[in-house]
Amino acid sequence: EVQLMESGGGLIQPGGSLRLSCAASGFTVTDTYMNWVRQAPGKGLEWVSIIYNDGNTYYIDSVKGRFTVSRDTSKNTLYLQMDSLRVEDTAVYYCSHKGFWGQGTLVTVSS
Amino acid sequence: DIQMTQSPSSLSAAVGDRVTITCRASQDIGSDLNWYRQKPGKAPERLIYAASSLQSGVPSRFSGSGSGTEFTLTISSLQPEDFATYYCLQHKSFPLTFGGGTRVEI
Repeated sequence: EVQLMESGGGLIQPGGSLRLSCAASGFTVTDTYMNWVRQAPGKGLEWVSIIYNDGNTYYIDSVKGRFTVSRDTSKNTLYLQMDSLRVEDTAVYYCSHKGFWGQGTLVTVSS
Repeated sequence: DIQMTQSPSSLSAAVGDRVTITCRASQDIGSDLNWYRQKPGKAPERLIYAASSLQSGVPSRFSGSGSGTEFTLTISSLQPEDFATYYCLQHKSFPLTFGGGTRVEI
């Protein structure tokens, strides 16, 4: 059974860094593609990034150069390193794999 | 970027009603479109992929159609658990883009 569980969210000041984790089970994270999607409070869904099985990555323009997606095969975990955080990055962050989604982790960027 | 325009942005319906939601793409995306349902406070769940393929485990009252620039999600008989927000997503090209959402309420 495929399961995804995000962690690592919290309250962070503007300009700070945070690393989100997405622990996967039921499949191997390096064998397929995985996405990060976010949802600001009371707003719609916004795609953030993708990593393919070959390691290629793509990002939405607003996070390019600030966010980095990676994987750890030994832990079967997907990561999102978020640097130079802005107030507008405040959102619930979800990882997803095909039709499966985690429960999300809330990132709040505020002074 | 490909813009996805959903309509209506909200609708009122009753249990048993047939509901149709439309998503229009700003350029041809073939069949590279998914539909999601999001219940309040919960993660989205994929209902339809490749425009018309039903996700495993999803009830058959959900169906998707369309290709190119116009797509439709139909719920044949609305159930209580279907009062939620629905989103389309194009995955033809980067950045992937969602529609603005359609809130289905009583």
